[in-house]
Amino acid sequence: GAGVSQTPSNKVTEKGKYVELRCDPISGHTALYWYRQSLGQGPEFLIYFQGTGAADDSGLPNDRFFAVRPEGSVSTLKIQRTERGDSAMYLCASSLEIGETQYFGPGTRLLVL
Amino acid sequence: GNSVTQMEGPVTLSEEAFLTINCTYTATGYPSLFWYVQYPGEGLQLLLKATKADDKGSNKGFEATYRKETTSFHLEKGSVQVSDSAVYFCAQSGGLTGGGNKLTFGTGTQLKVEL
Repeated sequence: GAGVSQTPSNKVTEKGKYVELRCDPISGHTALYWYRQSLGQGPEFLIYFQGTGAADDSGLPNDRFFAVRPEGSVSTLKIQRTERGDSAMYLCASSLEIGETQYFGPGTRLLVL
Repeated sequence: GNSVTQMEGPVTLSEEAFLTINCTYTATGYPSLFWYVQYPGEGLQLLLKATKADDKGSNKGFEATYRKETTSFHLEKGSVQVSDSAVYFCAQSGGLTGGGNKLTFGTGTQLKVEL
């Protein structure tokens, strides 16, 4: 079956611009997670959803970052007024239920010039 | 807070050598423990996991045992292959704080296997 997909695979933007990153989880998975991975580091948790609601957004670095999952399936990570320090790989994962194995997508590589 | 520490790489081995990648964790309670692998050009894949003390996770010839007394989850393989070349991440989730299974990762260890 189809795995987690993320679009775009690469995004180049200029400092100060707004970007949206999309995640399509595995069909039927109720939990969805966003992580950020900087070069040479492990992924760091940003936010997770159970259904449509953000159950834990404690990893979002500041209020420029926001994520939604309006219908409990696809999720969008939104970054306002991008900064060069936002450049990283953004990973999405989904699991059937909370506490189940997380399956990761291929990621979106964001570069802020 | 919860954290994971794993040995720094790169680790370079000859084919058929024995592999150990050390991983220790700090946590409140008893988290689940994981090894994820990232092959070149691919996304993170779950390699193995263990959910309670003394459990052994295994997959593709890799093994790791959840050691509560030493708070460790070392990854081992008896005979590595060139195709095992990848970056390996140790991770934990849960514990007393729950956290909805959000994962805390180590920094990753790059493994290079040569002929």
